[in-house]
Amino acid sequence: AQKVTQAQTEISVVEKEDVTLDCVYETRDTTYYLFWYKQPPSGELVFLIRRNSFDEQNEISGRYSWNFQKSTSSFNFTITASQVVDSAVYFCALRMDSSYKLIFGSGTRLLVRP
Amino acid sequence: GAVVSQHPSWVICKSGTSVKIECRSLDFQATTMFWYRQFPKQSLMLMATSNEGSKATYEQGVEKDKFLINHASLTLSTLTVTSAHPEDSSFYICSALPRDRVTGELFFGEGSRLTVL
Repeated sequence: AQKVTQAQTEISVVEKEDVTLDCVYETRDTTYYLFWYKQPPSGELVFLIRRNSFDEQNEISGRYSWNFQKSTSSFNFTITASQVVDSAVYFCALRMDSSYKLIFGSGTRLLVRP
Repeated sequence: GAVVSQHPSWVICKSGTSVKIECRSLDFQATTMFWYRQFPKQSLMLMATSNEGSKATYEQGVEKDKFLINHASLTLSTLTVTSAHPEDSSFYICSALPRDRVTGELFFGEGSRLTVL
């Protein structure tokens, strides 16, 4: 069975702090895709990144970076120098190669305080 | 490009009435659309897969007679919540898979918030 676990329900940091959101996934498939989405209070989902199972290179995009480690089945997301506008719920998601369905984690609510 | 629009953004209805939510891909064709439901402070749960020109595929535990899905064209899927009750109050989000599926990326609508009184 496929599953995504985001153990951190809520995280609160002060602006400019770095914060890492954890994501652990389960699948027996060898080909799969991992995603991160941001959901601000308005509700829409904002796509942040997609990574396939064969690409373990870490990625950096501005203040955002992602650490994909197949050995621990983790795909963690770090925000450097957090800002108040980063406050949102962040979802990690998994998709199998055989389907376009997304399996979402339970989400982590991030609050960045001024 | 790749814009998905949902309408209405929010709706309030009385218990027992039916509500239709539309999901449109504005600048691409989508043979497949997905409907998700999100209760407050919870994750997104897939309700059903909508396929253009054929019956929708529902996830386990989702009542197909209560949540009617119609995907009549390559740019429009509708979700009708029939005989809505307060427990159906939720945030409904659709996503669309472009017909060409080159990247396999899904594009999400803005969501529709349903409140049943």
